[in-house]
Amino acid sequence: GAVVSQHPSWVICKSGTSVKIECRSLDFQATTMFWYRQFPKQSLMLMATSNEGSKATYEQGVEKDKFLINHASLTLSTLTVTSAHPEDSSFYICSAVPPSGRNLPEQFFGPGTRLTVL
Amino acid sequence: GENVEQHPSTLSVQEGDSAVIKCTYSDSASNYFPWYKQELGKRPQLIIDIRSNVGEKKDQRIAVTLNKTAKHFSLHITETQPEDSAVYFCAASPIGYKLIFGSGTRLLVRP
Repeated sequence: GAVVSQHPSWVICKSGTSVKIECRSLDFQATTMFWYRQFPKQSLMLMATSNEGSKATYEQGVEKDKFLINHASLTLSTLTVTSAHPEDSSFYICSAVPPSGRNLPEQFFGPGTRLTVL
Repeated sequence: GENVEQHPSTLSVQEGDSAVIKCTYSDSASNYFPWYKQELGKRPQLIIDIRSNVGEKKDQRIAVTLNKTAKHFSLHITETQPEDSAVYFCAASPIGYKLIFGSGTRLLVRP
């Protein structure tokens, strides 16, 4: 149980275009999902907290107008990288907290999406 | 906000030896400390976690210790095997289940 998927697993796009990444909890409902970015040989950096039915909470230094997050249902959160540039190339990973996480805050991670902006 | 420091950045051990990775955190409100193993291009995999009301937890060859007073927590891997080679991340959860990660330790277990 507690499976999280991401789509696509990789994407290559031209500079200036927008890219949407989906994060789905397959066998549980997640009121809270998180989005991380990981550059090569670096750690996971939390970008934002996605809450179902409300606006995302962004970490300091993350541009909310560039990284649009929508959590329209209890099983789906989307991250849209708008007007992507080469410096946005990274590994984007989502995670979700199942309802049982109210007592034990374990997060379940998606497989990640590798974005390459040319 | 929370800041997590992790050492060492790289660690090379002989197969069968022990490996220890240490982390410190800054926010005394943090109450959950997971450790993840990540292989290249893959998602982080939870290997062990500890909550702030526990000082030590063990799962076979892996153990985690927590010193709340000093804001330190450590990962101990005994009888290392080549398949333990990966990048290990510690993390702390300051509020609302969000995780702040350490910088990672690249562990190499030499056969």
